[in-house]
Amino acid sequence: AQSVTQLGSHVSVSEGALVLLRCNYSSSVPPYLFWYVQYPNQGLQLLLKYTTGATLVKGINGFEAEFKKSETSFHLTKPSAHMSDAAEYFCAVSGDGYNKLIFGAGTRLAVHP
Amino acid sequence: GAGVSQTPSNKVTEKGKYVELRCDPISGHTALYWYRQSLGQGPEFLIYFQGTGAADDSGLPNDRFFAVRPEGSVSTLKIQRTERGDSAVYLCASSLSGLYQETQYFGPGTRLLVL
Repeated sequence: AQSVTQLGSHVSVSEGALVLLRCNYSSSVPPYLFWYVQYPNQGLQLLLKYTTGATLVKGINGFEAEFKKSETSFHLTKPSAHMSDAAEYFCAVSGDGYNKLIFGAGTRLAVHP
Repeated sequence: GAGVSQTPSNKVTEKGKYVELRCDPISGHTALYWYRQSLGQGPEFLIYFQGTGAADDSGLPNDRFFAVRPEGSVSTLKIQRTERGDSAVYLCASSLSGLYQETQYFGPGTRLLVL
């Protein structure tokens, strides 16, 4: 079975500050890991994903995440937050039983001036 | 190109009624998924289609929920005898062939409210 835990349902940062959104996973098989972003009244959009190979993954809009197997983590970071980054972020895992995604509960990111 | 589309965008119904939610995947995508997102939670898997067949329906909560994809493209999620607890956003996603590493592309969702 697989599961995802996102620490912090709400995160608030200042514009220009570092963004760090935490994701820990549990998986009995090698995981595939994803970060999706959801803007208000819009569908989920893929930010980045880890499948195999390089553990540091770069995505769109300046985001990146590092797969750390020993820590079972896949935290999302961005060096400098923009106001437009305000949204809800979901971490997801797959790899156990077809391609269904198992999502975390999400983290709502607020960016203030 | 066109993304995943879902209709209607909003649906309000009364308890006990029947509803159908439609999903149009990206053209050429053989894999199609339905998820349900309740308020304040992440999406939860309902069912996965590979072509016309439901390869995994382990997420359907009970036998009031049913989904079809008769021609391997458009899919319909059907809910019988709706209950207030069915109120949620129903998301559809598609991917090229259903491999683990593929990106799933999501539609905007159908917001269902059962009164």
